[in-house]
Amino acid sequence: DVKVTQSSRYLVKRTGEKVFLECVQDMDHENMFWYRQDPGLGLRLIYFSYDVKMKEKGDIPEGYSVSREKKERFSLILESASTNQTSMYLCASSLIARVENQPQHFGDGTRLSIL
Amino acid sequence: AQTVTQSQPEMSVQEAETVTLSCTYDTSESDYYLFWYKQPPSRQMILVIRQEAYKQQNATENRFSVNFQKAAKSFSLKISDSQLGDAAMYFCAYYSGAGSYQLTFGKGTKLSVIP
Repeated sequence: DVKVTQSSRYLVKRTGEKVFLECVQDMDHENMFWYRQDPGLGLRLIYFSYDVKMKEKGDIPEGYSVSREKKERFSLILESASTNQTSMYLCASSLIARVENQPQHFGDGTRLSIL
Repeated sequence: AQTVTQSQPEMSVQEAETVTLSCTYDTSESDYYLFWYKQPPSRQMILVIRQEAYKQQNATENRFSVNFQKAAKSFSLKISDSQLGDAAMYFCAYYSGAGSYQLTFGKGTKLSVIP
């Protein structure tokens, strides 16, 4: 089975801190995604990457950046955390050749609180 | 741009009964894929069922089935013989299959199962 692992289930940080959320997948997937999930808003795409060192903005990239130095790892960075970035963050991955069959595998999520 | 609408933020069903979750979408494409994802409380989001738009036959996975109405752009999920473990957030998602690897998600429906 595909395993998408997010480094933390719960994280508490302070306003202005630089925050790193890590995601690792073990199935050699080309695509990786970062979403944030908020009640009543569903999942919104922040960034995605289709290859090492490649990245594309999603629907809400402001205040975030990403890094993909290795195929299996995709990091989300909050450059200067703000309280409106308190949310659940979900990482996902997919294999290009099988996107239509199993579009995305998700991690357990990181519940981030910014105080 | 594609949009996915889930008009029922919350629903409830009696255990062993049947419930239908609604989803409509907007697209100008003729070939695409639709999915239902399930997110149990504090657990990983998993794929429940998928439908290819060029297939007229409705997809079925055990107690889960869909009613796909292409002309009406409707994709509802029916859960038969509801069980306590079906309680979760359910997300409808659209994938165009046209070179973009992104999914467009609805805002979700929270399903409660009453014993």
